[in-house]
Amino acid sequence: DTEVTQTPKHLVMGMTNKKSLKCEQHMGHRAMYWYKQKAKKPPELMFVYSYEKLSINESVPSRFSPECPNSSLLNLHLHALQPEDSALYLCASSLSGIKTDTQYFGPGTRLTVL
Amino acid sequence: TQLLEQSPQFLSIQEGENLTVYCNSSSVFSSLQWYRQEPGEGPVLLVTVVTGGEVKKLKRLTFQFGDARKDSSLHITAAQPGDTGLYLCAGYNFNKFYFGSGTKLNVKP
Repeated sequence: DTEVTQTPKHLVMGMTNKKSLKCEQHMGHRAMYWYKQKAKKPPELMFVYSYEKLSINESVPSRFSPECPNSSLLNLHLHALQPEDSALYLCASSLSGIKTDTQYFGPGTRLTVL
Repeated sequence: TQLLEQSPQFLSIQEGENLTVYCNSSSVFSSLQWYRQEPGEGPVLLVTVVTGGEVKKLKRLTFQFGDARKDSSLHITAAQPGDTGLYLCAGYNFNKFYFGSGTKLNVKP
């Protein structure tokens, strides 16, 4: 099983709303990632969790707040977003700590900020 | 800084033609992945290559990792409309994955 699940599939929110994106994997992976992707562009790394600890934050604005409650779950809390934050948000996971590490992606959440 | 450069950026070909996509870097990578992505969906892993000089075949797709582990290529034989999508290479190094800029392939019937 190489499945990463993400919910919701689509999300529309206003600039004053608070919402959360969820990601789950049951592959025993210990690294989990959030990416932001604009149309026709490659994914841009936002955050990396390794063994449930935040290991990389790519200078992401504080209106995005990640959380890793356990080794299978990854959340992204959203608050006071801007229209330019509209994008496809991708979660990925990998084994972590090995030279031949490979990421597996979820289907993404299409976020629209009005 | 774009560690991985992909070429071409866009490719529009007729069904049945062959094509090659390149992924180049001045950095050495521990491993390199190729993904295919359709609009609004997550990238789907096609292959991981880890050994310099390695060649992997997946039906009509052939992947090669350069001897120095700095570059890779994806060759598609007899392209089909179902091959249409965004092809992404990603290299792993320093506990991060670095993505290429992507190649948008359109195969016309």
